[in-house]
Amino acid sequence: AQKVTQAQTEISVVEKEDVTLDCVYETRDTTYYLFWYKQPPSGELVFLIRRNSFDEQNEISGRYSWNFQKSTSSFNFTITASQVVDSAVYFCALSGTTSGSRLTFGEGTQLTVNP
Amino acid sequence: DAGVIQSPRHEVTEMGQEVTLRCKPISGHNSLFWYRQTMMRGLELLIYFNNNVPIDDSGMPEDRFSAKMPNASFSTLKIQPSEPRDSAVYFCASSSILGQGFNEQFFGPGTRLTVL
Repeated sequence: AQKVTQAQTEISVVEKEDVTLDCVYETRDTTYYLFWYKQPPSGELVFLIRRNSFDEQNEISGRYSWNFQKSTSSFNFTITASQVVDSAVYFCALSGTTSGSRLTFGEGTQLTVNP
Repeated sequence: DAGVIQSPRHEVTEMGQEVTLRCKPISGHNSLFWYRQTMMRGLELLIYFNNNVPIDDSGMPEDRFSAKMPNASFSTLKIQPSEPRDSAVYFCASSSILGQGFNEQFFGPGTRLTVL
């Protein structure tokens, strides 16, 4: 069975603060993929990143960065210098070889960036 | 390029009525997924198709729900009869999956269903 845990239900920060969203996963697969999606107030789900289990290099994309650590089964997401437009629900998700193409989502973290 | 297209965007119906949700995946994608999102249960996969064939329908809540994919560019999710507890946002997503590859899924805008 697969499981994704996002322990932070809600986070509130002030603009320009850095914020890290935590994601911890469980899987018995040796090959698996991790994803982050953003769901802004408008409701659509926007793909942010995909990372496979063999690539532990951290990734940076503009103000976004991701820290993948297999030793702790974590795939954390950091937003640097947050902006009001970053306010959204962020979902971490997992798929593995035994689950086929099925994505297992975490519960989501509601991020509010205040001006 | 057009993303995943869903219709209708909003649907309000009365209990007992049939509801049909429609999805057009991204051209060239060979996998299609139907999800439901509620406050109580979060995002849950209902069913997914690969090359128009249903692969996993274990998430379909009950026999009132059915899904079809008659061709690579169209899928429907039908609820008959609908019940108030079916009220949710239903998302369709598509992906290009080759072998054991796991590409990202691209989501449509969703259909907000309200059953009175």
